[in-house]
Amino acid sequence: DVKVTQSSRYLVKRTGEKVFLECVQDMDHENMFWYRQDPGLGLRLIYFSYDVKMKEKGDIPEGYSVSREKKERFSLILESASTNQTSMYLCASAVGVHEQYFGPGTRLTVT
Amino acid sequence: RKEVEQDPGPFNVPEGATVAFNCTYSNSASQSFFWYRQDCRKEPKLLMSVYSSGNEDGRFTAQLNRASQYISLLIRDSKLSDSATYLCVVNPNAGNNRKLIWGLGTSLAVNP
Repeated sequence: DVKVTQSSRYLVKRTGEKVFLECVQDMDHENMFWYRQDPGLGLRLIYFSYDVKMKEKGDIPEGYSVSREKKERFSLILESASTNQTSMYLCASAVGVHEQYFGPGTRLTVT
Repeated sequence: RKEVEQDPGPFNVPEGATVAFNCTYSNSASQSFFWYRQDCRKEPKLLMSVYSSGNEDGRFTAQLNRASQYISLLIRDSKLSDSATYLCVVNPNAGNNRKLIWGLGTSLAVNP
């Protein structure tokens, strides 16, 4: 069975902290994605990676960075968390791009 | 105009009803289309792809109208378990584009 896991379901951090969100997939997928989902704004792509060490910016990369050192793992980093980064963060993986398998999400609150 | 637009609903229907959602897209060059389903507080999951000829999967039928630039999802004989948000998703370009355009979703509540 397809599986995408995320390191935390809920996370509370303080403004200015560095935050790491981890995502692991067991399907040997080339492509991995990080989204955030906010009410009224829907799913917005932050970054994606199409191979190890390869990444491309999505629609809202500001304030975020990513790391993909191994094929199965894609990390999202908030260098200095701010309150406007409070959101649901969803990781996904896919062979191509269409059938994306999502993790359960991390609800991040920045206070 | 938004790239992908959906009626947010909610659509409240009784069990057994037939319900249809539409989704319009702005880029006439868009190549492929999908419906995802997202249950409350859960992650999105692919429901079905939408082909030019239309496609059917059990009680679900998806259709594409390129001339009017919309896709539709029809659910027959609604079940309580169909209650969810249905996300319309468009791949705006051909080739190796990896960015999908996601609609905000249409909320469906099926009532006993």
